[in-house]
Amino acid sequence: EDKVVQSPLSLVVHEGDTVTLNCSYEVTNFRSLLWYKQEKKAPTFLFMLTSSGIEKKSGRLSSILDKKELFSILNITATQTGDSAVYLCAVLGGADGLTFGKGTHLIIQP
Amino acid sequence: DTGVSQDPRHKITKRGQNVTFRCDPISEHNRLYWYRQTLGQGPEFLTYFQNEAQLEKSRLLSDRFSAERPKGSFSTLEIQRTEQGDSAMYLCASSLDAGIQYFGAGTRLSVL
Repeated sequence: EDKVVQSPLSLVVHEGDTVTLNCSYEVTNFRSLLWYKQEKKAPTFLFMLTSSGIEKKSGRLSSILDKKELFSILNITATQTGDSAVYLCAVLGGADGLTFGKGTHLIIQP
Repeated sequence: DTGVSQDPRHKITKRGQNVTFRCDPISEHNRLYWYRQTLGQGPEFLTYFQNEAQLEKSRLLSDRFSAERPKGSFSTLEIQRTEQGDSAMYLCASSLDAGIQYFGAGTRLSVL
């Protein structure tokens, strides 16, 4: 059975700090790893990673995948209160449904 | 708005009643997925369609649950004889083939 573990489960930081969110996985026939941001509504897509070692960036957010060690990290620099959300990590394996972790609940204090 | 839309956004029902939710995917997407999310958990996969064919079902999808996508466009998810344990957010997503899945805002079901 595919498994995704995220850490920490919750994190409180001050505005301007940099945060690193972790995602480890066990999956048969790995195809891709995805990060989503969820703010009490639809999970919104952030990144899809398929290859090891290639960093993906979007503004202050970046992510990288290590297929040998089976993990990914999501970095957010210069955090803002609008970054407060649950960040979900998911993997696409042999089955076509995504397997999600429990998410990291990130709170940015002003 | 060309995103995934779900209706209704909220549904309150009494135990034992049947409920039906609708999902309209992004128009050019051929795959449509249903997930369930409970408080403090990530979404859990229920089932998916490629065009009108239902190709995969999770063991979470008990025989009280049925999903259809009759013309390969919108989909419905019906829960019969609802139980309190069915209370959750039901999320729909769509994708083009096995690409990125884009989610709707969900239907929050409360079973009293």
